[in-house]
Amino acid sequence: AQRVTQPEKLLSVFKGAPVELKCNYSYSGSPELFWYVQYSRQRLQLLLRHISRESIKGFTADLNKGETSFHLKKPFAQEEDSAMYYCALADQAGTALIFGKGTTLSVSS
Amino acid sequence: EPEVTQTPSHQVTQMGQEVILRCVPISNHLYFYWYRQILGQKVEFLVSFYNNEISEKSEIFDDQFSVERPDGSNFTLKIRSTKLEDSAMYFCASETGGGTYEQYFGPGTRLTVT
Repeated sequence: AQRVTQPEKLLSVFKGAPVELKCNYSYSGSPELFWYVQYSRQRLQLLLRHISRESIKGFTADLNKGETSFHLKKPFAQEEDSAMYYCALADQAGTALIFGKGTTLSVSS
Repeated sequence: EPEVTQTPSHQVTQMGQEVILRCVPISNHLYFYWYRQILGQKVEFLVSFYNNEISEKSEIFDDQFSVERPDGSNFTLKIRSTKLEDSAMYFCASETGGGTYEQYFGPGTRLTVT
């Protein structure tokens, strides 16, 4: 069965510290992987997806098929990065997103 | 920038009542979705809609649920007889199609069943 696991419910770091939000997935084929972010009182929005291989707001994520992971990283956290982060996978375009439970990132000064 | 909108933002209803949650997807999008998030739990897929019919649905989407696109703009989720466990945040999303994978989410409707 398709599953996305985000082991950390909360990650607290200081401003300027590196951040790694973990995501592991279970899927039999080759899924598309995404990170969505939800800032306080705002809607879910796409942060990045593995097929685009781009960096958004300083965040990157590498798909590791051997470890079935798609961890989100940022070398220097900023206070404005504080938000809820969801890892998700999709079978193909036009199909359901399967979400992890989410990790709250809290960045303090 | 166009956005997905949802109304109402908060709906309180009594158990057994019917509710209709409304969504206006982005105008040129082709795929439409409903998700829900029970407090403290993950976002769960309910149903997807394409070409005026359901393309995929989850186990959650039983006979109590239905979706409609009554005109060219609205996309609705109806719950026929609400239960306490239907209390959740309901999100609508739309996707342009063409293999983009990017789903744009609405702000959600908080449904409280008492």
